[in-house]
Amino acid sequence: DAGVIQSPRHEVTEMGQEVTLRCKPISGHNSLFWYRQTMMRGLELLIYFNNNVPIDDSGMPEDRFSAKMPNASFSTLKIQPSEPRDSAVYFCASSRPPHDYGYTFGSGTRLTVV
Amino acid sequence: QQQVKQSPQSLIVQKGGIPIINCAYENTAFDYFPWYQQFPGKGPALLIAIRPDVSEKKEGRFTISFNKSAKQFSLHIMDSQPGDSATYFCAASISGQAGTALIFGKGTTLSVSS
Repeated sequence: DAGVIQSPRHEVTEMGQEVTLRCKPISGHNSLFWYRQTMMRGLELLIYFNNNVPIDDSGMPEDRFSAKMPNASFSTLKIQPSEPRDSAVYFCASSRPPHDYGYTFGSGTRLTVV
Repeated sequence: QQQVKQSPQSLIVQKGGIPIINCAYENTAFDYFPWYQQFPGKGPALLIAIRPDVSEKKEGRFTISFNKSAKQFSLHIMDSQPGDSATYFCAASISGQAGTALIFGKGTTLSVSS
């Protein structure tokens, strides 16, 4: 089991550019979550999917953020246009019912927007 | 309603000490309370979890104490070791079909000195 795989590990981009973060969940996990981590705000839920369907996207900061899950093995988080305040570590996590087994997090993507 | 408040922000103890991290919540519908441990450069990992039908759960050196009436829960680490130095997050969610994703506290950075 390779765990949750995120790419890239690090991304440095200029303000205004489009950024796409990628996530491959663990096979058999039917829930996928995107979180953002900053020192000031901790771990914030951005969006989560059940069976590839977005369930709660109330944490997505603005229309500049969008997320898709075209199939059970792939999800993307896109920021367009990016801004310096988007700089953070973005985590993808997956889980399977019952979710008492916990979420398995990827290693994160550290995004720096300059 | 959805917040989980965690304290302290940081904690320094000597090896063998018993650090205690506290969390409080408002939403009485929460019914699952896990703790996650995060090492630098890694994603958070499930450490231990509790449901409100029990007041205490112990796994190895880690113990959760839960006070349903006060809407508080805490993590105790017995005989703390330098290897326990990490960031700890409490979290809460509502399970079941109409459930929510985990809402995390802002984290506590623990340093155990040798």
